[in-house]
Amino acid sequence: NAGVTQTPKFQVLKTGQSMTLQCAQDMNHNSMYWYRQDPGMGLRLIYYSASEGTTDKGEVPNGYNVSRLNKREFSLRLESAAPSQTSVYFCASKKGGGAYGEQFFGPGTRLTVL
Amino acid sequence: DAKTTQPPSMDCAEGRAANLPCNHSTISGNEYVYWYRQIHSQGPQYIIHGLKNNETNEMASLIITEDRKSSTLILPHATLRDTAVYYCIVREETSGSRLTFGEGTQLTVNP
Repeated sequence: NAGVTQTPKFQVLKTGQSMTLQCAQDMNHNSMYWYRQDPGMGLRLIYYSASEGTTDKGEVPNGYNVSRLNKREFSLRLESAAPSQTSVYFCASKKGGGAYGEQFFGPGTRLTVL
Repeated sequence: DAKTTQPPSMDCAEGRAANLPCNHSTISGNEYVYWYRQIHSQGPQYIIHGLKNNETNEMASLIITEDRKSSTLILPHATLRDTAVYYCIVREETSGSRLTFGEGTQLTVNP
């Protein structure tokens, strides 16, 4: 049982390049989330998916798109990367579709945009 | 979700209890108190949560005051591996899936 996995672990992009961050969970959870964490700050929610087939914006969705490919996978896409998107990105999942309950986090993807 | 206030940093001696406070004076009746921690460079880890009763699990205890305006996370026998940033989060069941992290408390456990 791997929990929440993320790929890649590290990535360096040039401004304007695109990429997709992958996230998968093997706990049969309904909800999945993408957060970003900037140095010295707490996590900020980018997008979330309360169930397969649904996605909603979080606090900082601009510049990102997401796809809930199936129940297991939730990807985050940067269409045209900007230096302001340099951050650590965490994916998380939760059993239920509502707000209650604990979230399980992946190990993170460290992204640098030059 | 109600705002929380935590001290930016605390120190604790190894083997002693670590008591981490959190103020949430604007908490409403249906909001839960959650605690997560983040060890350096890792993803956040769930610790415990509660509504109004004190809670205990294998990791920690959560003490919520009777008026629910503040709470304390207690790590009974802190180890060096408990050094982390601890986040107190208040959220209601109907707030969608938002989990808002503030700046947390950096707990340093010293040998």
